[in-house]
Amino acid sequence: GQNIDQPTEMTATEGAIVQINCTYQTSGFNGLFWYQQHAGEAPTFLSYNVLDGLEEKGRFSSFLSRSKGYSYLLLKELQMKDSASYLCAVRDQAAGNKLTFGGGTRVLVKP
Amino acid sequence: DGGITQSPKYLFRKEGQNVTLSCEQNLNHDAMYWYRQDPGQGLRLIYYSQIVNDFQKGDIAEGYSVSREKKESFPLTVTSAQKNPTAFYLCASSIGERGQPQHFGDGTRLSIL
Repeated sequence: GQNIDQPTEMTATEGAIVQINCTYQTSGFNGLFWYQQHAGEAPTFLSYNVLDGLEEKGRFSSFLSRSKGYSYLLLKELQMKDSASYLCAVRDQAAGNKLTFGGGTRVLVKP
Repeated sequence: DGGITQSPKYLFRKEGQNVTLSCEQNLNHDAMYWYRQDPGQGLRLIYYSQIVNDFQKGDIAEGYSVSREKKESFPLTVTSAQKNPTAFYLCASSIGERGQPQHFGDGTRLSIL
């Protein structure tokens, strides 16, 4: 099976930077996704990593190290609207390429 | 506009009743998925379908059933055998190719009366 771990909750100040870590164990890693989910709403796609390194998309960046089973999502210049849950999801080739989601990290941005 | 439509947004079920949640997509995606989300938790896969007339059980399929008679539609039935059905249900679809993300509907919140 798979095991995906993320911190439950993080708090940061508007304008600051927050880094959300995700560690995973999988036998057939085939990509990692980050989603944002506001309370009561659908998750929306943020980023995808399959090779080691950093992917940057505006204020959001995502990093992957396959050898360490580790990823992080970096949110810069935090805005109040960034208060949401952030879900890490791993695709496993050994599990039919299904996505397995972590429990999500709730980020609270304070003024 | 292309997207995924789930209905209804809120649903109430009496004990012993079966209920069906609708999921329709006009994105021409081959793969469709049903997830369950409990408060403060991540998403757990119930069923998925990679092609019409075929579907597979996910991690928590007991008490649920699905059908995939059309590419656009993937309804989920929550049966009376599901003892704890109160949850937020999310439907998703994807092209099914590596690296392509899943796109989600707005969800159905199911509660037991």
